[in-house]
Amino acid sequence: QITLKESGPTLVKPTQTLTLTCTFSGFSLSTSGVGVAWIRQSPEKALEWLALIYWDDDKRYSPSLKSRLTITKDTSKNQVVLTMTNMDPVDTATYYCAHRNPLAVLSVWGQGTTVTVSS
Amino acid sequence: EIVLTQSPGTLSLSPGERVTLSCRASQSVSSYYLAWYQQKPGQAPRLLIYGAFSRATGIPDRFSGSGSETDFTLTISRLEPEDFAVYYCQQYGSSPYTFGQGTTLEI
Repeated sequence: QITLKESGPTLVKPTQTLTLTCTFSGFSLSTSGVGVAWIRQSPEKALEWLALIYWDDDKRYSPSLKSRLTITKDTSKNQVVLTMTNMDPVDTATYYCAHRNPLAVLSVWGQGTTVTVSS
Repeated sequence: EIVLTQSPGTLSLSPGERVTLSCRASQSVSSYYLAWYQQKPGQAPRLLIYGAFSRATGIPDRFSGSGSETDFTLTISRLEPEDFAVYYCQQYGSSPYTFGQGTTLEI
């Protein structure tokens, strides 16, 4: 059974850097075709795809946020970390990580973690 | 970047009805890399359909997907009370792997 869980601060101040960790089980990020993605959802808004890291350490980022995002993996710990710099109140959202299966689709999602940006 | 436009924004329906949701892409979606997700309040999205047509594990056969290139649809043949939710399409063939803005099914 595949599970993912997001963790990190619930409150950050404007201009600070957000660091979120996705801890997963039930799959290995060294398996060909597998990846972990980050997606966020602002209050009352749609889903926004942020970043994806593949089993071979290839990475993809949202062009609009690329300068602020970094995604990394620690295969031995079954973790993926997303950092977002220069946080702003508009970045207030629920952040999800999700398992990308070898068919390329986001098959299982974590429960999400809510981050508020406020001074 | 491929922009996905879902229509309608909101649908008011009753249990037992048939419904078709639309997802239109600004450019062709490669290799049918189109998925549909269902999201209920306070929950994460759940995968329903992938590859435009294939149901995910455990998804009832009242859900079906169709379409190609730039026009895709999700059909629910007979609405059950638990189907009232928000539905999103996503293309995962070309990075960034964008989502539509969602369609809300309400009673």
